Amino acid sequence: DTEVTQTPKHLVMGMTNKKSLKCEQHMGHRAMYWYKQKAKKPPELMFVYSYEKLSINESVPSRFSPECPNSSLLNLHLHALQPEDSALYLCASSQASQTGELFFGEGSRLTVL
Amino acid sequence: GENVEQHPSTLSVQEGDSAVIKCTYSDSASNYFPWYKQELGKGPQLIIDIRSNVGEKKDQRIAVTLNKTAKHFSLHITETQPEDSAVYFCAGNFGNEKLTFGTGTRLTIIP
Repeated sequence: DTEVTQTPKHLVMGMTNKKSLKCEQHMGHRAMYWYKQKAKKPPELMFVYSYEKLSINESVPSRFSPECPNSSLLNLHLHALQPEDSALYLCASSQASQTGELFFGEGSRLTVL
Repeated sequence: GENVEQHPSTLSVQEGDSAVIKCTYSDSASNYFPWYKQELGKGPQLIIDIRSNVGEKKDQRIAVTLNKTAKHFSLHITETQPEDSAVYFCAGNFGNEKLTFGTGTRLTIIP
């Protein structure tokens, strides 16, 4: 079983809704990531948090807002999304930066109507 | 940014046969090359990785080879089993904090 837990597993939202995706890990990892994955495509990096500070933002639209309340938790706040934002959102963690194994959660499948 | 080409995009092999997936890159800066397996409805899971100071690494039925001169690395799965059916992604970190993933290979094992 994955040691990175994501909730919810499925989310359907309208373009005017505000929702959040949550991710939790208890492996003591200090780096956490959000990836977006479209069908039949590789994961695309969105954000990296290192020691609870945002270290990489891959030019993601502001309708996606990440938050790292502590070293075990990572949130992704969603607001005014577009249908093309529908995808699988994957959270991952690693001991430090991306030079070692990434542990992925099972993802939150988002559908924007 | 760095591109990682992965081939083939789909691969079907008879159970018990071997499967080989290849990735090529152009930037020499990477020192870490992992392979991830993604089963349907799940997140990617690391199955094997190799660092740039090693040419080959093996873990039971899975092996990875790295040719830094030619800038390619390959995943080899021997004695394939139905549970090996999944999408496989190669990746590399090219001198920065980011992993760049290959385009993926959908492997189907035919019983």
